[in-house]
Amino acid sequence: NAGVTQTPKFRVLKTGQSMTLLCAQDMNHEYMYWYRQDPGMGLRLIHYSVGEGTTAKGEVPDGYNVSRLKKQNFLLGLESAAPSQTSVYFCASSYPERGGLYEQYFGPGTRLTVT
Amino acid sequence: GQQLNQSPQSMFIQEGEDVSMNCTSSSIFNTWLWYKQDPGEGPVLLIALYKAGELTSNGRLTAQFGITRKDSFLNISASIPSDVGIYFCAGRGSGYSTLTFGKGTMLLVSP
Repeated sequence: NAGVTQTPKFRVLKTGQSMTLLCAQDMNHEYMYWYRQDPGMGLRLIHYSVGEGTTAKGEVPDGYNVSRLKKQNFLLGLESAAPSQTSVYFCASSYPERGGLYEQYFGPGTRLTVT
Repeated sequence: GQQLNQSPQSMFIQEGEDVSMNCTSSSIFNTWLWYKQDPGEGPVLLIALYKAGELTSNGRLTAQFGITRKDSFLNISASIPSDVGIYFCAGRGSGYSTLTFGKGTMLLVSP
């Protein structure tokens, strides 16, 4: 199993450009998440999905959109990139609650720079 | 929203020393998780805790779920250079389907 994979690994955008980050998992997990990580801020949740066709807002959703058309994929979109969106983006997935399990497994990250 | 306070922010220790770090919350959590992040990589799960008072080990790592359900501790014994990284705690409150993460403890180990 590859676990959680993210595409691309690095990207540089100009202000106003758009892009989509792809997350894929092969563990048949129900839940998927998108986080951003900034120095000194830890991991902040952008959006998440508790199942195919469902999405919900996290702590910092503004400027981002997501889609979960297939169970194994979770897409993060930036419609009009801003320098404040320069960050490292991590995708994670987990099982639904089952006997109290809520362990999230992370991808390797996408480093995005917006100039 | 829920918040976690993780301390210390950073630690610089000698190889062979033991390390302790902790997370506290103002609200009750039902699940505590500890992750390690190596430079340039994603966080990797170290230990998961599900019951108040639970003490769980993973090699040289030991974590505890506080009795009050508002804190958790991670200890690393006999540190080695490959322990270097950022350690994050994460917790889940009742009724939530998401985790709240601490801001991390950066650990540096001198050979």
